[in-house]
Amino acid sequence: KAGVTQTPRYLIKTRGQQVTLSCSPISGHRSVSWYQQTPGQGLQFLFEYFSETQRNKGNFPGRFSGRQFSNSRSEMNVSTLELGDSALYLCASSSGMDRGFLEQYFGPGTRLTVT
Amino acid sequence: AQSVTQPDIHITVSEGASLELRCNYSYGATPYLFWYVQSPGQGLQLLLKYFSGDTLVQGIKGFEAEFKRSQSSFNLRKPSVHWSDAAEYFCAVGISGTYKYIFGTGTRLKVLA
Repeated sequence: KAGVTQTPRYLIKTRGQQVTLSCSPISGHRSVSWYQQTPGQGLQFLFEYFSETQRNKGNFPGRFSGRQFSNSRSEMNVSTLELGDSALYLCASSSGMDRGFLEQYFGPGTRLTVT
Repeated sequence: AQSVTQPDIHITVSEGASLELRCNYSYGATPYLFWYVQSPGQGLQLLLKYFSGDTLVQGIKGFEAEFKRSQSSFNLRKPSVHWSDAAEYFCAVGISGTYKYIFGTGTRLKVLA
């Protein structure tokens, strides 16, 4: 089974721009979660989608948004980029049902650098 | 509020020595606990998980962890460390019904040859 894939792997953007990151979950998984990882704040939960519905979101400004498609692929978007948005963005997939949600498999991440 | 604490930011051990990484959690109900490992530039790999039952759980790569409810701990252990174990290790609590994880801040392991 193929693992979680994230594209692109690396991205450099300028302040004020917007960016879209993509995540393809493991085949059969219906839940996708997104995390931001920075040296100062560690791993912080952004949001989780299951069957195209957002079930939970973390404490991030509205500039951070996401969506999930019918094939379970997910995208996250960050608008009006700030220097502080530079981070490794990780996507994780799981079956999404009950305790199956809790066994998450992570992708390699997208390294976003904002200049 | 739920939280996960990994008190050791950095740990250095010699190859072949034993290892214990500490994790304490704060959660009102029975926790679902996890340990992940992250190599530089990579995503997180699940080492082991505890949902219920036997409090000593075995994982991949020779790791094990013990759940101690009385101490709110879920420490990760390995009897003999290999140089390839150098990485960052994260403890996490899965919050049932909320569809989110809470991660600890991580422990970076350095292995001396």
